[in-house]
Order: sequence, then structure tokens, then C-alpha cells
Amino acid sequence: ETGVTQTPRHLVMGMTNKKSLKCEQHLGHNAMYWYKQSAKKPLELMFVYNFKEQTENNSVPSRFSPECPNSSHLFLHLHTLQPEDSALYLCASSPGLGEAKNIQYFGAGTRLSVL
Amino acid sequence: QKEVEQDPGPLSVPEGAIVSLNCTYSNSAFQYFMWYRQYSRKGPELLMYTYSSGNKEDGRFTAQVDKSSKYISLFIRDSQPSDSATYLCAMEGTSYDKVIFGPGTSLSVIP
Repeated sequence: ETGVTQTPRHLVMGMTNKKSLKCEQHLGHNAMYWYKQSAKKPLELMFVYNFKEQTENNSVPSRFSPECPNSSHLFLHLHTLQPEDSALYLCASSPGLGEAKNIQYFGAGTRLSVL
Repeated sequence: QKEVEQDPGPLSVPEGAIVSLNCTYSNSAFQYFMWYRQYSRKGPELLMYTYSSGNKEDGRFTAQVDKSSKYISLFIRDSQPSDSATYLCAMEGTSYDKVIFGPGTSLSVIP
């Protein structure tokens, strides 16, 4: 158990559906991240939140909408996705302060399939 | 030139072998260097991190950083089948303020 919990673990959705991914961290961290990991590709950073403020949006399409209500919770709202959005979506958190502020701890991921 | 390069493998070794996994990087601003292990269908798990140059040991794992050559390594001694996974290097610098991940090396340890 890494201290970062993601739900659901698996999600199948149609292109017209709306769904949300949830991430919760119990590490007392102040920064949270969403990554996309496709087969045979490196991790792609999507969004970064520091102290609930979005500090990075890595040219992500608007069909992905993040929400960070507090430092412990992060959501990724999904709507009208495309089949190429099928991937493993990973949440991570980091201290956000101090010497090792950006060292990240990951959740187990949500495996998303878009039909 | 990519910021972080890593041989994707796959690397296949017999049980008990010493494994060497490597990354090269181009940005001299990087100061923190991390290694993650990712099992199939799981999230990356932080194995070790080091600051600046030098060696760090944790059990069967040794991380080595050579900033002059912009080269980092992870050594696994007495490798076990349970070490079979993808290993990701990652790095960041306080002035750079972003973590960059390598693409990962797939390792198989054969019993």
C-alpha cells in the first residue's frame, strides 16, 4: 500500500459517457499529479496541483477536466472520450515542500478502456 | 536529443545474476535521481532516490550517479524472479522544478 488510493481500478466507457476517476492520498502531501501511461510509451504528465492550485496543464484536451477540492483528493472528469484515450491513468502525490518536494508516490492506477 | 534516455530492453537474465540498468540525461540542472519499479498493471513504486553524485545502497539494490558523465545506474545483486518488472529512472532539479521520467527498461529474471 503506497498511501495513494485510486478508484475505480478498471473502467470501461463508451465515447458518449461521462465518468470520473478519483484519487486520495494519506501521506500528508501538498502536490498531486495525473499521468497517462499508454502501452510501450513513457509516462505522460497531464496535470499538476500544488496546494490545490493547478500549476501545470500539459496541453491536455478539454475532454479531460481535473478537480482538486483539497490537498488529499484529486479527480479527473472524463467526457466524450476517444478510443485512443484508452490507457492506464496514474495519480501521484509529492511533499510539495522541502528538499525532496517533487519525489512522487504513485497509486495503482485506473485501467480505462474507451469503446 | 531526449532529456532522459533509457534502453527499453527487454533484458533477460538468469536468477542470481547481477543486473545493471542505466539512464543518460542531457540537463545538468538535474540534482535528484530516482528509480521506480513497475509491475505489470500496477503503478510505479519508488525504490530509491539519491541527491547529486555518489552511491546509495539498500539491500540488494545500489544506485549510482555520475553527474560529470550525466549517467545513472541501478544495480541489482542476486536477482530474483520477483525482480521481473519495468524499471523507470526519473530525475529533477530544484531550479528545473519538474520530474522527468525515462521510458523504462523491461527486466525478466529467469528461474
